[in-house]
Amino acid sequence: DTGVSQDPRHKITKRGQNVTFRCDPISEHNRLYWYRQTLGQGPEFLTYFQNEAQLEKSRLLSDRFSAERPKGSFSTLEIQRTEQGDSAMYLCASSLVTGDNSPLHFGNGTRLTVT
Amino acid sequence: AQRVTQPEKLLSVFKGAPVELKCNYSYSGSPELFWYVQYSRQRLQLLLRHISRESIKGFTADLNKGETSFHLKKPFAQEEDSAMYYCALSRQGAQKLVFGQGTRLTINP
Repeated sequence: DTGVSQDPRHKITKRGQNVTFRCDPISEHNRLYWYRQTLGQGPEFLTYFQNEAQLEKSRLLSDRFSAERPKGSFSTLEIQRTEQGDSAMYLCASSLVTGDNSPLHFGNGTRLTVT
Repeated sequence: AQRVTQPEKLLSVFKGAPVELKCNYSYSGSPELFWYVQYSRQRLQLLLRHISRESIKGFTADLNKGETSFHLKKPFAQEEDSAMYYCALSRQGAQKLVFGQGTRLTINP
């Protein structure tokens, strides 16, 4: 499978701990997105990168959240001092920016449970 | 503000019956509209987009700017259509998507 890869698939952590997720996009894709999805809701935009530059961050992304894409390839999303409200599915997507709105390719997600 | 509303959380129809999944949006500019689908144990994937004006797996969707709607339709449902369907919107030329809450479609045999 050469699609978007996310690791880990599941993460259970205690409140107050830090967690980090990784996303490997499709290799030639220059845009990378992070979304969060809670039960019964559609995905909500968190942030996106074009190459290594973080171009937009949602107001949903509190100071405890930080995302990086240091070499314009894989990306990490870190959540510090996790809270129970952070429990969600974290989705990564990538795309190749061309002249039109090319579709997003999603990964399988990382399911975070904060106890 | 951009908003996508899918009024039905659950929709159940019999195989062979017509299907319509409703999507209404709120956006002040010219949006691009998409339908994404998630089959059981699979990742979220694009089903169709309004600018392509194509039929995918028998599904079509027409953008109605007057009614601000982008309903997804299929004349004859098949069991393999059972899935979670999300309507999504983006600003023209942008790729950041705003999703609706989703509709779980179940096709009964």
